Amino acid sequence: DTEVTQTPKHLVMGMTNKKSLKCEQHMGHRAMYWYKQKAKKPPELMFVYSYEKLSINESVPSRFSPECPNSSLLNLHLHALQPEDSALYLCASSQAVTGNEKLFFGSGTQLSVL
Amino acid sequence: AQKVTQAQTEISVVEKEDVTLDCVYETRDTTYYLFWYKQPPSGELVFLIRRNSFDEQNEISGRYSWNFQKSTSSFNFTITASQVVDSAVYFCALSDNQAGTALIFGKGTTLSVSS
Repeated sequence: DTEVTQTPKHLVMGMTNKKSLKCEQHMGHRAMYWYKQKAKKPPELMFVYSYEKLSINESVPSRFSPECPNSSLLNLHLHALQPEDSALYLCASSQAVTGNEKLFFGSGTQLSVL
Repeated sequence: AQKVTQAQTEISVVEKEDVTLDCVYETRDTTYYLFWYKQPPSGELVFLIRRNSFDEQNEISGRYSWNFQKSTSSFNFTITASQVVDSAVYFCALSDNQAGTALIFGKGTTLSVSS
């Protein structure tokens, strides 16, 4: 199984809502990532988890809260988002956290904030 | 500072044409890694290739080939006999010691292959 599964595929939320994005992989990978991608732009790294511990937070606003309950799951909790947070949110995983790792990406959650 | 430049924003070709996607990178490190990823309309990025800075051998995988030239800091990607299924956004990316875990992506090239 070489898949990274993300749910939901689409999400529309208001600025006062609380929602969560979910990501799952069963490849035994110990590193998991959240990326944000605006239309016609490259992905931007948000968070990196290594062995279930947050290792990198790329100065992401606190309205985004990541969580790694176990080595297979990664969540992104959303609260009080702004319309400019509308984007494709991509989860990825790799065997380890080093710069040369091949990343496996999910299909993403297309988020719209109204 | 590190940088990846994909000068071609969009390319349109007709099926069976060959097409080359350009990638030029900048880094001060002697050890670095270069990648190509494909992003079809479905959204997920698909890994295509990884090259380390000490391996300048060109690589061929089916209709895909990559030309790595350190002398010109380029890592170009050629699709031979393009097909409609090759239509996607292609990203070139760099990882070096400064970037650490983060990939430095180029802005991407949108390839449209028509039948």
